[in-house]
Amino acid sequence: DSGVTQTPKHLITATGQRVTLRCSPRSGDLSVYWYQQSLDQGLQFLIQYYNGEERAKGNILERFSAQQFPDLHSELNLSSLELGDSALYFCASKAGYTDTQYFGPGTRLTVL
Amino acid sequence: GENVEQHPSTLSVQEGDSAVIKCTYSDSASNYFPWYKQELGKRPQLIIDIRSNVGEKKDQRIAVTLNKTAKHFSLHITETQPEDSAVYFCAASSPGGYSTLTFGKGTMLLVSP
Repeated sequence: DSGVTQTPKHLITATGQRVTLRCSPRSGDLSVYWYQQSLDQGLQFLIQYYNGEERAKGNILERFSAQQFPDLHSELNLSSLELGDSALYFCASKAGYTDTQYFGPGTRLTVL
Repeated sequence: GENVEQHPSTLSVQEGDSAVIKCTYSDSASNYFPWYKQELGKRPQLIIDIRSNVGEKKDQRIAVTLNKTAKHFSLHITETQPEDSAVYFCAASSPGGYSTLTFGKGTMLLVSP
């Protein structure tokens, strides 16, 4: 157990819908990273937050957004969902003084 | 941005053999190189990492080597066991702060008894 939690574990929805994925980092970690893992693209970095502020953006679509709240949990919002958005979504957290990222168990999103 | 290439995409070995997975990166400023192991349907788990000021690091049956000049790093697993079967990902930390990781596409390692 990495100490990073994610909910829900599984999410099945339809095209055009909107969903929210939740991540709670390890106690004391201020950085949260979101990744998308699909079969053909591997692990793709989406976005990073540090202590409530956006710090880095990767290959994140405009239909996707994220935020980090004062209690440091983070949410990834996916809207106007398409079939191609079906993937595993991981969040990871990191302490400020190390480089090591610890991954949560992931949320498997299926868009039908 | 950073680009990480990983080879091979699949690797089959017999139990007890050694396995080597290789990665190359494009940005010479990258300075942190972790390796993650991911079992089917599970989260990636860090197994070993190396920083650019170190050439080699070992942890029991696992070792990582780094060649900064050639911009490549490798994972070595000795005395492989069936429980080593998984997908292994290398990554490089993008320079410019915030420790964002660029991952290779993964190597599926299958260890046969």
